[in-house]
Amino acid sequence: GAVVSQHPSRVICKSGTSVKIECRSLDFQATTMFWYRQFPKQSLMLMATSNEGSKATYEQGVEKDKFLINHASLTLSTLTVTSAHPEDSSFYICSARIAGGYEQYFGPGTRLTVT
Amino acid sequence: GQQVMQIPQYQHVQEGEDFTTYCNSSTTLSNIQWYKQRPGGHPVFLIQLVKSGEVKKQKRLTFQFGEAKKNSSLHITATQTTDVGTYFCAGLTSGTYKYIFGTGTRLKVLA
Repeated sequence: GAVVSQHPSRVICKSGTSVKIECRSLDFQATTMFWYRQFPKQSLMLMATSNEGSKATYEQGVEKDKFLINHASLTLSTLTVTSAHPEDSSFYICSARIAGGYEQYFGPGTRLTVT
Repeated sequence: GQQVMQIPQYQHVQEGEDFTTYCNSSTTLSNIQWYKQRPGGHPVFLIQLVKSGEVKKQKRLTFQFGEAKKNSSLHITATQTTDVGTYFCAGLTSGTYKYIFGTGTRLKVLA
């Protein structure tokens, strides 16, 4: 149980375009989902926290107009990277937490490459 | 802001040797979690520690939370090649809802 999926697993896009990444909790309801960014051989940096039905809370230094987060249901959160630039290339990972729980269940991640 | 540092950054051990990674927070924590990320994979939850001085064991893994709740350690006894990966601690500060991940320790086990 407690499986989180992400789609797509890899995406290559051109500079200036937008990319949407989906994060789904497959067998549980996630009231809270987290979006992280991970550079090669580095730690996970929290970008934002999304709660179902409300606006996401962004970490300091993360542009909310560039990284749009929507948590439309208890099983789906999306991250849209708008007007992507090469420096946005990274590994984006989501995690989900069951209501009342403390464990974070991570998705497999999405490798974004902006050319 | 809050920082969570881990040492060492890298560790290479011979199979069968023990391994320890240390996690230090700049602020007092409510609780701490440990995750393992295999190469090319995503983090997988290992354990959560809540109480001051708490010690928990999972087979060959021993987790400890410091008395001051600002540090933690993960000790692996008799490492195996399956232990390869990066181990992250993640700390939760009182009054917040988010975990701050440590810098990670990458373990390589030589057969």
